[in-house]
Amino acid sequence: GESVGLHLPTLSVQEGDNSIINCAYSNSASDYFIWYKQESGKGPQFIIDIRSNMDKRQGQRVTVLLNKTVKHLSLQIAATQPGDSAVYFCAERLTDKLIFGTGTRLQVFP
Amino acid sequence: GAVVSQHPSRVICKSGTSVKIECRSLDFQATTMFWYRQFPKQSLMLMATSNEGSKATYEQGVEKDKFLINHASLTLSTLTVTSAHPEDSSFYICSARDHPGYTFGSGTRLTVV
Repeated sequence: GESVGLHLPTLSVQEGDNSIINCAYSNSASDYFIWYKQESGKGPQFIIDIRSNMDKRQGQRVTVLLNKTVKHLSLQIAATQPGDSAVYFCAERLTDKLIFGTGTRLQVFP
Repeated sequence: GAVVSQHPSRVICKSGTSVKIECRSLDFQATTMFWYRQFPKQSLMLMATSNEGSKATYEQGVEKDKFLINHASLTLSTLTVTSAHPEDSSFYICSARDHPGYTFGSGTRLTVV
């Protein structure tokens, strides 16, 4: 299930299930979006990106969906594994600056 | 792929002293780098944009005299936290623009005691 903590919402999923992480972005002028994975004490790690002229892009086990009408991004992870446990951030590019969303902690349990 | 090296990874300093953090692009030239700050369980907040050969652009609310940024070469940007105080304790992360994306350093955990 999904819950909202003091600052970071958490999504708990069972190993092998699909995960869907959602993000609302701020600015309709943003032209490029990236999903990052961040493990504790480390910098963000690139997962997948999408340009504003697309609505879907697929990678290995991951899919990003973009809905510009409602300014919404989602990251789908297929067959979630324990190694996917981390905090996930969406980021939007606005005039060359990358602005990060709130983030979601993904917890994978056996 | 592109690599950004950030040092140190951890630093503890006394209140009132200054700390310098380095961010290097190892295999590409970065005319623009970015500095972020991240408090526990929060997102990355953009502090400033570092431009090679010119002054940095600071985000609203970030004190430019406290967080000095120097981008003297195409591969190196530094952030100096001057007269550090306990409230400056945070995780500082740099990134470099690497078209079309951005590559991040591994971050610096600053603790001011």
